[in-house]
Amino acid sequence: SYELTQPPSVSVSPGQTARITCSGDALPKQYAYWYQQKPGQAPVLVIYKDSERPSGIPERFSGSSSGTTVTLTISGAQAEDEADYYCQSADSSDTYVVFGGGTKLTVL
Amino acid sequence: QVQLPQWGAGLLKPSETLSLTCAVYGGSFSGYYWTWIRQPPGKGLEWIGEINESGTTNYNPSLKSRVTISVDTSKIQFSLKLNSVTAADTAVYYCSRFGAAGTGFDSWGQGTLVTVSS
Repeated sequence: SYELTQPPSVSVSPGQTARITCSGDALPKQYAYWYQQKPGQAPVLVIYKDSERPSGIPERFSGSSSGTTVTLTISGAQAEDEADYYCQSADSSDTYVVFGGGTKLTVL
Repeated sequence: QVQLPQWGAGLLKPSETLSLTCAVYGGSFSGYYWTWIRQPPGKGLEWIGEINESGTTNYNPSLKSRVTISVDTSKIQFSLKLNSVTAADTAVYYCSRFGAAGTGFDSWGQGTLVTVSS
């Protein structure tokens, strides 16, 4: 079955740039999406279609794509950005949705 | 602002059927894939399946034999049934919507913790 691979954890100091990667063979032909999840809460969409930002999401969140890897970048990470982040896409045939395993972002 | 309240039984015994329903308030029912996603305690998100307003479904291949997602357009609700549950099905279950235009899972239900225990 198709899988998306994320690093389990990323750590940055406040004000630094955090980059979270997600790799998958179908990413060159399928859009990627990113979700932020804080403890006890439902996920929140922060990036759609690789690099689009929903209204209400701070400009410090951005997304990019290169080949089989997509990247979520948080420029000037803040303490409130500490959360789990999940990438999401679809298989090459567009028949089912898949999530990455998640990355715990620590800002300290 | 769409709201997705969800409800259903939170405690099941092994072999029973999980049943959850999600209502759609304040938004259009068409143009979206209405989806169920689950998250076992301390683990990541798992897509269960989706349905559109026409009733067309897609399911996670690993759960397909046990899952049924249905829609009631008159009540603007959609439902999940997962049969023959085991402890491995213990999770928080979320309903959500995915825009057919590729706008992502932009609204989520509050989540329902379903525990399977004898």
